[in-house]
Amino acid sequence: GQSLEQPSEVTAVEGAIVQINCTYQTSGFYGLSWYQQHDGGAPTFLSYNGLDGLEETGRFSSFLSRSDSYGYLLLQELQMKDSASYFCAGRDTGFQKLVFGTGTRLLVSP
Amino acid sequence: NAGVMQNPRHLVRRRGQEARLRCSPMKGHSHVYWYRQLPEEGLKFMVYLQKENIIDESGMPKERFSAEFPKEGPSILRIQQVVRGDSAAYFCASSPVEDPTTYEQYFGPGTRLTVT
Repeated sequence: GQSLEQPSEVTAVEGAIVQINCTYQTSGFYGLSWYQQHDGGAPTFLSYNGLDGLEETGRFSSFLSRSDSYGYLLLQELQMKDSASYFCAGRDTGFQKLVFGTGTRLLVSP
Repeated sequence: NAGVMQNPRHLVRRRGQEARLRCSPMKGHSHVYWYRQLPEEGLKFMVYLQKENIIDESGMPKERFSAEFPKEGPSILRIQQVVRGDSAAYFCASSPVEDPTTYEQYFGPGTRLTVT
C-alpha cells in the first residue's frame, strides 16, 4: 500500500519562499504529483515528477528523490492567493489511481 | 473546451434516502475516477472506471455504494440508504488515456453531500 505524509500547516509572509515536504511509504508508483486546493474548490494540478530531480514551473518547483522516498514543493515569491491546501499524490502503478497525502494548509500573511 | 462537470453541486438527503452523483468527463477523456473528501481531510480514492467497465473499485465501501460509466451519458456514483457519515465532498476526475506517462487528472468542482 501507499501512505504519504505532509506537515499539517505552514505559515509564511508575502514575498517569501516556502517548502512543503512529502515523505512516503509505497510499494511502487509512477512519480509524485502536486495539487492545490482552495477552500470549497476542486484540486488543481501544479506539478509532476516522474524522475528524480527538480521540475520548475514558474513560481513553483517540485523535487523528487526516490532513494529517500521524499519530495517537496517549493513556492517562491508568495502571494496572498497562494493560501490554500497543497497535496502530494502518488500515482499507483497498477491502475492509475492517485493516492493523496495528508495535505498541508499554507497560510500567507501580509 | 469544457472541463469536468459534476452535478448537482450541492445535495441534501435525509438518512435512508438515495444519493445519485453525476460526472461528465472532459471531451475526449475515457477514464473517470471518483474521490471522497471528508471535512478537513485529504482525498481518498474510491473507484476507477472506463466506459462500461469498472477497473479498480478497491476504495469503494462494500455496501450501499456503486458506480457506473455507461456507453452513453455521464458516470454515476450511487449511494443507497445514506447515513450521516456519508456527508462529504465527492470529486470526479478524468484523464485521456491509460498511460503511465499521462500524469494529470482533471478534477470537477465536486458535489457536496449533506445527510441530515
